[in-house]
Amino acid sequence: AQSVAQPEDQVNVAEGNPLTVKCTYSVSGNPYLFWYVQYPNRGLQFLLKYITGDNLVKGSYGFEAEFNKSQTSFHLKKPSALVSDSALYFCAVREYSSNTGKLIFGQGTTLQVKP
Amino acid sequence: NAGVTQTPKFQVLKTGQSMTLQCAQDMNHEYMSWYRQDPGMGLRLIHYSVGAGITDQGEVPNGYNVSRSTTEDFPLRLLSAAPSQTSVYFCASSQGTGYYEQYFGPGTRLTVT
Repeated sequence: AQSVAQPEDQVNVAEGNPLTVKCTYSVSGNPYLFWYVQYPNRGLQFLLKYITGDNLVKGSYGFEAEFNKSQTSFHLKKPSALVSDSALYFCAVREYSSNTGKLIFGQGTTLQVKP
Repeated sequence: NAGVTQTPKFQVLKTGQSMTLQCAQDMNHEYMSWYRQDPGMGLRLIHYSVGAGITDQGEVPNGYNVSRSTTEDFPLRLLSAAPSQTSVYFCASSQGTGYYEQYFGPGTRLTVT
């Protein structure tokens, strides 16, 4: 069965410091991997995705993510955090072979960036 | 484009009442889905549709019905509301399955008393 784990409920960083939000996944085949961000009282916004090829994926707002097949991880990163990056972040996975389009989400990680 | 729209934004129901959450998209997306979001549990798939006239169950379908008579609309019906259905509901759409990202609506916050 597919699953996604985000091991940290909350990540705290100081503004200007690099940030990492961790995600590991489990699928029986090859994965499509996604990161979404949710600001308070809003819907989820797409940040970036991994399809195939280059293991480093760049996305919106200066975020990037590194796919590591051997560690089944897809960690979200940003070189220099902003206070406005404070939000709830979700990792999600879908199998290549899925004909249902079912997207499995992690439980979310709250990012708090302090000035 | 308005994207994905949902109505209402907030709703309070009494146990046993029924209601329909509306969802519409103007991007001509084939794939639509409904999720519920509960604290510490991420988003869980309720029902999905791969095109007009085709729907199927997700992880947590009990107590909910859907239909897809047009490409644009995908309403979610609560048949007999229960307190366990208190949640935030999100509708999403995408061009297809596979590597396509989903676009989410703003959500409906439902409280069942």
